[in-house]
Amino acid sequence: QKEVEQDPGPLSVPEGAIVSLNCTYSNSAFQYFMWYRQYSRKGPELLMYTYSSGNKEDGRFTAQVDKSSKYISLFIRDSQPSDSATYLCAMSENYGGSQGNLIFGKGTKLSVKP
Amino acid sequence: DVKVTQSSRYLVKRTGEKVFLECVQDMDHENMFWYRQDPGLGLRLIYFSYDVKMKEKGDIPEGYSVSREKKERFSLILESASTNQTSMYLCASTLPGDRGGTDTQYFGPGTRLTVL
Repeated sequence: QKEVEQDPGPLSVPEGAIVSLNCTYSNSAFQYFMWYRQYSRKGPELLMYTYSSGNKEDGRFTAQVDKSSKYISLFIRDSQPSDSATYLCAMSENYGGSQGNLIFGKGTKLSVKP
Repeated sequence: DVKVTQSSRYLVKRTGEKVFLECVQDMDHENMFWYRQDPGLGLRLIYFSYDVKMKEKGDIPEGYSVSREKKERFSLILESASTNQTSMYLCASTLPGDRGGTDTQYFGPGTRLTVL
């Protein structure tokens, strides 16, 4: 079983839809969870960062972590064509002791149609 | 804002050539990483470095080497390029948690390398 599983999509939604992107993981030691957005032919950029379980909201984006289920989600409200990108989840075990290594999902490609 | 730059956006090389990919970050980050990204395979870690002159193998180091002579610069070297090294190469840097950072990795724009 891979450490981090992410459905590659592609996921196509109409403009204005609520989008749900998800990752599951197997390592219960993961504590730090990130979502990156990657536009075509660009490097990934950090979108959201959360620690442990719970929700974090930033504008139209909400990141949710359920450590008991080993499941993380990214919700996008009122999706826009500019949200069309590949979304990668990433996670790490240690804060304050690691070398900064992250484990990445393979990414979900999202297309928001006008 | 953190800035990570890579020397080339697009590069075309021939089989057997020695290839240098350069990465520079301007935020005094301790750790730097080289990944390759391929469709269906996601990001795969090639090498990383947590200090000047230090390097650690990632998941797929074969066919690659690295150099970190200065803190801000991390180079990836393909000693003898092969067609299966055609890929998107991404550099990243981070200030790790034990040095006041968050382990968040900041990526460069990527170099799309084609080996003919």
